[in-house]
Amino acid sequence: DGGITQSPKYLFRKEGQNVTLSCEQNLNHDAMYWYRQDPGQGLRLIYYSQIVNDFQKGDIAEGYSVSREKKESFPLTVTSAQKNPTAFYLCASSTTGNSYEQYFGPGTRLTVT
Amino acid sequence: QQQVKQSPQSLIVQKGGIPIINCAYENTAFDYFPWYQQFPGKGPALLIAIRPDVSEKKEGRFTISFNKSAKQFSLHIMDSQPGDSATYFCAASPNRDDKIIFGKGTRLHILP
Repeated sequence: DGGITQSPKYLFRKEGQNVTLSCEQNLNHDAMYWYRQDPGQGLRLIYYSQIVNDFQKGDIAEGYSVSREKKESFPLTVTSAQKNPTAFYLCASSTTGNSYEQYFGPGTRLTVT
Repeated sequence: QQQVKQSPQSLIVQKGGIPIINCAYENTAFDYFPWYQQFPGKGPALLIAIRPDVSEKKEGRFTISFNKSAKQFSLHIMDSQPGDSATYFCAASPNRDDKIIFGKGTRLHILP
């Protein structure tokens, strides 16, 4: 059963703590993406990676970090430097040459208090 | 220049009606225009996509209309059903390997 998994579905953290969100795909896709979704703001790109060991900043990368050591995995760390970390985080992937057709995971809702 | 402007923000339509969601862009380098559908608590899923060399594309009850000269495109849902209630995002991308820019979304509710 191919797809993208994100875990956990809900995550609670105290302010000042770093937290890592998991994203795994078994679609054999080269490209992977992280988005943040806030009410009325649409989907905003945090980071994306088109190949293993390489990634680029999106529109709102400040306070976030990523790694891409394996093709299947693209974890996102929300650091304590992110001023408003509470949001719904979505991971996606696509094949090379089809970036407009992205497959999304179910999302992780992060709440920081 | 990199924005995709989407309207309305929310829309309520009676079952069987034809909701219309509009999007506009400025960057003429955009070459791919996908639409995504998202149900509450789920990730978005690609619904339909169009390129500027086509003025209209249909997939089932969903139709995209594209006006290249006006730099506008829209989604129509024919014979809308309560199960179509979701958030719809238009998007644009300059090429097949670049990131895509999403509109802010339209929350659609179809009344039974």
